[in-house]
Amino acid sequence: AQSVTQPDIHITVSEGASLELRCNYSYGATPYLFWYVQSPGQGLQLLLKYFSGDTLVQGIKGFEAEFKRSQSSFNLRKPSVHWSDAAEYFCAVGAQYGGATNKLIFGTGTLLAVQP
Amino acid sequence: EAQVTQNPRYLITVTGKKLTVTCSQNMNHEYMSWYRQDPGLGLRQIYYSMNVEVTDKGDVPEGYKVSRKEKRNFPLILESPSPNQTSLYFCASSDSYGYTFGSGTRLTVV
Repeated sequence: AQSVTQPDIHITVSEGASLELRCNYSYGATPYLFWYVQSPGQGLQLLLKYFSGDTLVQGIKGFEAEFKRSQSSFNLRKPSVHWSDAAEYFCAVGAQYGGATNKLIFGTGTLLAVQP
Repeated sequence: EAQVTQNPRYLITVTGKKLTVTCSQNMNHEYMSWYRQDPGLGLRQIYYSMNVEVTDKGDVPEGYKVSRKEKRNFPLILESPSPNQTSLYFCASSDSYGYTFGSGTRLTVV
């Protein structure tokens, strides 16, 4: 079955520390992978996406993610966390069909808290 | 500006009172979908549409209806809302570059 697993429900890091959020997927077709961020009371903002090519993807706000096919993973990283990064992060997988990105399957999210 | 517009942003209603959440996109996308977000469950697809007059069920369609009479609009209809439909709802449209989400509709059914 197609699925996305985010093993960490809640993570706390100190401001200035590095961050890695884990994402593993199970998907039969060639996956298209996404990371979204949701601040409290807000909608979903796309951080980055991987469709093909270079497996290290750069996104907005200093985030990057690396696609590792052998591990079925797409972990999100940031070298130095800022207090404004506190939010919930969602990994998602989808596929292309008919010229559009069809159904996205989301993980259950990782809530990031940042300590001063 | 390319966007997906949902209305209303917040809605409190009573059990059994029919309601419609509107969704409109200005990007000429063919694919549109509705998701609900619940704590600990992430986002789950309710319904999707691949083009005008073409709709299909997602993972959690029970209690919902949709229609796609025009390319830009994809309303979500709750004919008889129940408290278990209290949730945060997102409309989205997509093309080959990915998804654009609306700002969300927080629905409370009492």
